[in-house]
Amino acid sequence: GAVVSQHPSRVICKSGTSVKIECRSLDFQATTMFWYRQFPKQSLMLMATSNEGSKATYEQGVEKDKFLINHASLTLSTLTVTSAHPEDSSFYICSALGGTQPQHFGDGTRLSIL
Amino acid sequence: AQKITQTQPGMFVQEKEAVTLDCTYDTSDPSYGLFWYKQPSSGEMIFLIYQGSYDQQNATEGRYSLNFQKARKSANLVISASQLGDSAMYFCAMRERVVFGAGTILRVKS
Repeated sequence: GAVVSQHPSRVICKSGTSVKIECRSLDFQATTMFWYRQFPKQSLMLMATSNEGSKATYEQGVEKDKFLINHASLTLSTLTVTSAHPEDSSFYICSALGGTQPQHFGDGTRLSIL
Repeated sequence: AQKITQTQPGMFVQEKEAVTLDCTYDTSDPSYGLFWYKQPSSGEMIFLIYQGSYDQQNATEGRYSLNFQKARKSANLVISASQLGDSAMYFCAMRERVVFGAGTILRVKS
């Protein structure tokens, strides 16, 4: 079964809306969670790395105020796309690392901004 | 810095035949891990196989095997007896900074 749960799987909303995406590790403690963005037929682009209890580390070019990441516990990280616009439409996927396990990925969120 | 290179944007393979997906990497870390993931059109990332840099043998998982050549810095994925359900995007990745290759789209023909 899934070990990382990502919710929601699909969001369609109006421009200007803020959207929150949740990523939960279900049966392990995720010391590190990653957020990726993926355009069609392209690779995953790492947006930010979040460690429980500390501020996220953003990759170059990713706006911190646009993509708010919170990692409040060892099992939950959230990505909030603030004041979303059509150019933010994309597939967002999270992953979690704990111990020596390989990354476990959520099933992704398809975000469509009208 | 770490880098993953997948030079095959797309591949075709006949059903039941074997196919090799290429992956080369670059890292200055003496210890590292390499992963292969499958991403079907539905979007989820499916872990396939892992190879540690100090593992003595090449990793195998069912129909998946990894042709790990450390001196050449390559970690090619071999899929034996291809099935229609193997059609997907495949990514090679390194663990340390979670670096992904560009991916290879595999299409299995019946």
